[in-house]
Amino acid sequence: EPEVTQTPSHQVTQMGQEVILRCVPISNHLYFYWYRQILGQKVEFLVSFYNNEISEKSEIFDDQFSVERPDGSNFTLKIRSTKLEDSAMYFCAGASTPRETQYFGPGTRLLVL
Amino acid sequence: SQQGEEDPQALSIQEGENATMNCSYKTSINNLQWYRQNSGRGLVHLILIRSNEREKHSGRLRVTLDTSKKSSSLLITASRAADTASYFCATDDWEGAQKLVFGQGTRLTINP
Repeated sequence: EPEVTQTPSHQVTQMGQEVILRCVPISNHLYFYWYRQILGQKVEFLVSFYNNEISEKSEIFDDQFSVERPDGSNFTLKIRSTKLEDSAMYFCAGASTPRETQYFGPGTRLLVL
Repeated sequence: SQQGEEDPQALSIQEGENATMNCSYKTSINNLQWYRQNSGRGLVHLILIRSNEREKHSGRLRVTLDTSKKSSSLLITASRAADTASYFCATDDWEGAQKLVFGQGTRLTINP
């Protein structure tokens, strides 16, 4: 059964450094999402992406964040200058059509020191 | 803004018993989804129920949806130790946004 994959599984970085989180969605999915979950808190929406454009973004998704689909398979989230409060689990998700099941990857645990 | 809220926040039962978790939300939805998360791991999709459906089954899972009360329940029958996890409901937005809004989750512990 196809799965969403994410790399790396864990990343530790220094405050102010750039990080790129990578996701390989399921091949027939066209709608892509990033969510994050701060330890002990609920999962929060960051951004949705379709047809090489951002469809919607949350207040969390400020100028320090960007998303890209550089090729036909990868979907990336970049944080330009990490802050301590960016420490969280970041999940990529995909769906074949909007308002259908979103399938999540295993997550990248980001720790900013 | 809409928000899914689960209750109870934590539930501990004996293996073999049934577990019921509830979710409430505030605004109109297209569908509601339930996810499971094992400690520190990814979100596993369990079931999606649409706003025009009242009940849905998948194996040992039974989900109900009452749009008049803006609530849903997840029933796990004949629970197993492997069902120990956090369970989240997530709602989308009737007006077209694709994002999912998650509740705080119910932490379910199945005691052997």
